[in-house]
Amino acid sequence: DAGVIQSPRHEVTEMGQEVTLRCKPISGHDYLFWYRQTMMRGLELLIYFNNNVPIDDSGMPEDRFSAKMPNASFSTLKIQPSEPRDSAVYFCASSARTGGNEKLFFGSGTQLSVL
Amino acid sequence: GESVGLHLPTLSVQEGDNSIINCAYSNSASDYFIWYKQESGKGPQFIIDIRSNMDKRQGQRVTVLLNKTVKHLSLQIAATQPGDSAVYFCAENGTGRRALTFGSGTRLQVQP
Repeated sequence: DAGVIQSPRHEVTEMGQEVTLRCKPISGHDYLFWYRQTMMRGLELLIYFNNNVPIDDSGMPEDRFSAKMPNASFSTLKIQPSEPRDSAVYFCASSARTGGNEKLFFGSGTQLSVL
Repeated sequence: GESVGLHLPTLSVQEGDNSIINCAYSNSASDYFIWYKQESGKGPQFIIDIRSNMDKRQGQRVTVLLNKTVKHLSLQIAATQPGDSAVYFCAENGTGRRALTFGSGTRLQVQP
């Protein structure tokens, strides 16, 4: 298995531009998570999906952030408009409900820089 | 409130020594705990996990200890190697919650 695949690996954009981050979870996993990592706040949960349905989006910072999961093999996290304070590493992770195992498998992340 | 925190931001050890990384949690309802290793430029990688009905679990060169009385979790790495240098995170998942809450991380530096 190729693991969780995220794209792009790096994104540099200017303030006000739209940013779209992409994620392909591990095949067969029915949970998908978006986390954000910064030096100040560490790893923060933004949103997670179960069977393509958003379950908890309480971590989404504000309306500028949105996430979708149109099918079991693809999810996007969109920021519109982007701001410098959105600069961070964004991780996607997936997990499967097997015997109550909540172990998350993480992608390599997208390093976002908003200038 | 719910939180998972680490006492030591940086731990420096000599190659071959044993390492102990500590973690405190505050949610008494947490029933699942997990340790991740994160190397520079990579995503967190699973190391070992433990459920609240256990107090110890061993893997290859790693042991996780859970003390529910004082809400404390530790990761022990035996015969630490340079390749163990990374940031280590503990995380917990309280009953009914699917997402993990992460601690702030401890950087482990292995001196050759």
